[in-house]
Parts: sequence; C-alpha cells; structure tokens
Amino acid sequence: GQQLNQSPQSMFIQEGEDVSMNCTSSSIFNTWLWYKQDPGEGPVLLIALYKAGELTSNGRLTAQFGITRKDSFLNISASIPSDVGIYFCAGLHGSSNTGKLIFGQGTTLQVKP
Amino acid sequence: NAGVTQTPKFRVLKTGQSMTLLCAQDMNHEYMYWYRQDPGMGLRLIHYSVGEGTTAKGEVPDGYNVSRLKKQNFLLGLESAAPSQTSVYFCASTSPVNSYNSPLHFGNGTRLTVT
Repeated sequence: GQQLNQSPQSMFIQEGEDVSMNCTSSSIFNTWLWYKQDPGEGPVLLIALYKAGELTSNGRLTAQFGITRKDSFLNISASIPSDVGIYFCAGLHGSSNTGKLIFGQGTTLQVKP
Repeated sequence: NAGVTQTPKFRVLKTGQSMTLLCAQDMNHEYMYWYRQDPGMGLRLIHYSVGEGTTAKGEVPDGYNVSRLKKQNFLLGLESAAPSQTSVYFCASTSPVNSYNSPLHFGNGTRLTVT
C-alpha cells in the first residue's frame, strides 16, 4: 500500500536543540497533518496544513506544506524533555471522501536533559 | 467528554483464539477507523466505516472483521488470532463535515499479544 516516507526514523538530541523532520510522498496530498504520540497513548494532532506553501506554527512547533504538495516538514525549536515521543506525518488525498489518512513510519524523538 | 474509548487496554491471546475489540465515541462522528501500529511501520488502516451499517477494507484487512451496528460503536474482530496480529490497535473517528478541519481523534489503544 501507499506510504509516506518519513525521516529520520529516530533522533536523540540535547535539551534546547532544534529538531527537524520531514515526510515525502510520490503522490499529491491536499492535506498534511502532524501528530504526536506519547507512550501508552493515542496520537494527538499537533498541526494541520491545508494549502500548498502554507507555513503554520503552534508554539515552538512550525510545519510547512510543500509547494509540490508531495512533502511536508515539522520543526521543533528549543526542545524540552516533554517533547519526547513519536511524531507522525499523515496525508489526505483531495479526492478522498472517506477521511482516510495515510501515515508515515514515525520519528522517535528522545531529549536528553 | 470521553472522546474515543477503547476496550480492553491489554489482552493476551493464544494462537487460534478469537476476540473482539470495542471502540466507542461520544462525539457523534460519522466516520470510524481501525488502525494497527507496528514498530517502524507507522499506522496502517485495517478497516473503516463511513456510517452506521457500512464498513470497508483498508490497507491490511486480512484476518479481521468489523461491524458498525450503532453509530457510536465500531467493533474489530479476530476470528482466529495469529502471532502476526500482535500489535497495538488504535480506533479513530472524525466527522465528514469537518473531515478537513477536524482530523482524526484517536483512542488510547489496545495492546494485543498473540502467543
């Protein structure tokens, strides 16, 4: 089945550092979403992007919808220990009338205090 | 407001046993989904439903069945569990009116181990 290619697979950084992760696809998406999953819980939406080129921030998080509509990135500035978790990108095709999302493989983030 | 509730939270099965995972949402959402999460593979769609009484196959439907007899509930069944079905299962829901503005709401998952 179709998948989004998310990288890196994992990151181990020092508290205070900035983080960047991205997703690419061979097909076009009309919506890009970024979720975070804390241990033992379900994914929670961080940022939603609806237009090509859109740049959206949520606190220390910034995400962009690529111009080609085939990629997106998520940046986290000045990381803190509670940023630890798995980050997923997800895409929704414009032709979809079922709300089905396609997910990336996830980026596991660890932050050293 | 409970959101999306999954039961049970944990379960251990022996190969060949059957079980049903229950998902309940109190947000009056039309669309409901079952995903499985495996290390390094993200979330993969098993089955989904766009309304009461309707279901459809997702990316990895083999070995699973689903039913949506009531709008608020979406059941995932394993008729004969296999070790390959060891995974964490997530239920999610959304509203078609806001499918672009209200992305999926997830439950907290069911961790299933098949020995």
